[in-house]
Amino acid sequence: QKEVEQDPGPLSVPEGAIVSLNCTYSNSAFQYFMWYRQYSRKGPELLMYTYSSGNKEDGRFTAQVDKSSKYISLFIRDSQPSDSATYLCAISTGRRALTFGSGTRLQVQP
Amino acid sequence: ETGVTQTPRHLVMGMTNKKSLKCEQHLGHNAMYWYKQSAKKPLELMFVYNFKEQTENNSVPSRFSPECPNSSHLFLHLHTLQPEDSALYLCASSQDSGGETQYFGPGTRLLVL
Repeated sequence: QKEVEQDPGPLSVPEGAIVSLNCTYSNSAFQYFMWYRQYSRKGPELLMYTYSSGNKEDGRFTAQVDKSSKYISLFIRDSQPSDSATYLCAISTGRRALTFGSGTRLQVQP
Repeated sequence: ETGVTQTPRHLVMGMTNKKSLKCEQHLGHNAMYWYKQSAKKPLELMFVYNFKEQTENNSVPSRFSPECPNSSHLFLHLHTLQPEDSALYLCASSQDSGGETQYFGPGTRLLVL
């Protein structure tokens, strides 16, 4: 079993839709949860950072962590064509380097 | 320069060539990383350096040789590569190597002929 599972997509939605991106993980020791966005032919950029359980909101983006279910989510409200990218979840126990999901490719249609 | 920079951005090399990738971080971080990203595959962590010392080597073939002369610079020396080594090579840095947020460079897109 992989440490982090992420549906590769692609996920295609119309402009203005609410997007839900998810990852599941297997190690209950993970405490740090991040979402990165990667545009084509660019390096990943940090989007959201969450420690332990709960929600975190930043503009149109909301990150959710459910440690009991080992499930993390990223919601994008009022999605825009400029949100079209690959979204990677990344998690850590705090003792070693990040473990990345395989990434979900999102396409927002105008 | 700000953030993490990588040069060259694109590289084409033959299997018998020797080349080097360079990464520089301007964030005052202590840890630096090399990743390989192939099409439709997850990021593969290659090497981790913390305070110039290598702390992780994820069974990377010896044709990839990293060098970290100081906390701001990281090199990846390449020799006798194979076509399957063609990929985007990403450098990242973080405050330390214990799960801190990592900041990525733009990557070097490598094509091995």
